[in-house]
Amino acid sequence: LAKTTQPISMDSYEGQEVNITCSHNNIATNDYITWYQQFPSQGPRFIIQGYKTKVTNEVASLFIPADRKSSTLSLPRVSLSDTAVYYCLVGDSHMEYGNKLVFGAGTILRVKS
Amino acid sequence: DTGVSQDPRHKITKRGQNVTFRCDPISEHNRLYWYRQTLGQGPEFLTYFQNEAQLEKSRLLSDRFSAERPKGSFSTLEIQRTEQGDSAMYLCASSFDWGEGGKLFFGSGTQLSVL
Repeated sequence: LAKTTQPISMDSYEGQEVNITCSHNNIATNDYITWYQQFPSQGPRFIIQGYKTKVTNEVASLFIPADRKSSTLSLPRVSLSDTAVYYCLVGDSHMEYGNKLVFGAGTILRVKS
Repeated sequence: DTGVSQDPRHKITKRGQNVTFRCDPISEHNRLYWYRQTLGQGPEFLTYFQNEAQLEKSRLLSDRFSAERPKGSFSTLEIQRTEQGDSAMYLCASSFDWGEGGKLFFGSGTQLSVL
């Protein structure tokens, strides 16, 4: 399973755009990149998933370069409520016998007013 | 509420006692996962079910841990002879096995404290 590397923590201010980069040098051809958000005392919540280029949904964008060895989660105009831990995962979402997604330690994002 | 539900939310037990947690996944999902999370760490995979079949178990899962998913619906995780090191948040998640298979829906977890 591909290992991921993310910054331990990041600080930002309300209204700013936040970019969290994840390195996954050993990503396999069939691996997808998935990001989760977790608040204290809650389970992780799916944010976005992609395979290549750019994916955008109502809460975030995911940028994946051509070599797919890294990815960047972009959160536009963050608010205090975006303070959370963000996890980058890579794994084969379509394995016949399941996708044992491996979580790293994540990135603690602190948004200040 | 049609999300993943876990019961209880909190459990305090004495060392050596047995505990059982329950997870009710989203009804359309045929994959169910158990993870364990300690403070400051990401969730660690414990085990995974495809319908009622337990297809994978982590080496973290000692013989004291057992999980079941009868009839491919709800799941239970039992810990026998609890130890203080078992104190953690136990998270359940479910997903489809096709299409967005990487999109896991997590419950709020069961926080276990072993005294």
